[in-house]
Amino acid sequence: DAGVIQSPRHEVTEMGQEVTLRCKPISGHNSLFWYRQTMMRGLELLIYFNNNVPIDDSGMPEDRFSAKMPNASFSTLKIQPSEPRDSAVYFCASSSSDQPQHFGDGTRLSIL
Amino acid sequence: EDQVTQSPEALRLQEGESSSLNCSYTVSGLRGLFWYRQDPGKGPEFLFTLYSAGEEKEKERLKATLTKKESFLHITAPKPEDSATYLCAVLQNSGYALNFGKGTSLLVTP
Repeated sequence: DAGVIQSPRHEVTEMGQEVTLRCKPISGHNSLFWYRQTMMRGLELLIYFNNNVPIDDSGMPEDRFSAKMPNASFSTLKIQPSEPRDSAVYFCASSSSDQPQHFGDGTRLSIL
Repeated sequence: EDQVTQSPEALRLQEGESSSLNCSYTVSGLRGLFWYRQDPGKGPEFLFTLYSAGEEKEKERLKATLTKKESFLHITAPKPEDSATYLCAVLQNSGYALNFGKGTSLLVTP
C-alpha cells in the first residue's frame, strides 16, 4: 500500500522566494496534518484538516504560511516570502477516525 | 499546558544490552499515548498506541507500558538495526493533534 507521499524531498531556495510543499495522503484517510520538525522545538503541528476543511491553523507561524486541501487526495503548504528561519523538515501525516497518524518522509527545506 | 518529556536524550547500548526509554507526560484527559520510531531522513513510523494505565504492547524486541504519569519503552537484547530516534506523543481526549516529546536517540553498537 502506498503511504503518505510528499514532494519535493529536498528544497533549497533563496530568501524571499515562494516555496510550495505537496502532500498526497493515504487513500481513505479523512484527516491530514502538517508538522514542522526542528532540533530546537521537535515536531510541532502547523495545521489540521478534516474532510478537506481546515479545522485548526493556530500552529501556522505567521501570515507568510498558508495551506490548502482542494480535494481528499492533495494538500499544499506554501511559504511566501520564505525566510532563513523557515528552514526545517516539514512532514505531512494522515489518519482516519481514531487511527494512528501515518507520516510521509518529509521535505527538507533550506532557505539561504 | 500539556507536556511530554523524554529521557534520556541519547542512549548508547551494546548489542544485547537491554534498557528502557522513558516518556513522562502531563495531560488533562489522555485519549492515547503513541510511540513512533524515526530513522534518519525518514518520517516517524508508528509502533504502538496505549490507552489506559496498566496496558502493555509488544512487538519483537520492544515492549511499551503505561502508567498514569509515564510510559516506558523497554528494549530487550537490542540489535544494531534498532538504532533510531524513538518519539513519544500524547493525544488529549478533547484533541486531535499529537503532542510530541523531543525523542530519545538510540545507538546500538555491535
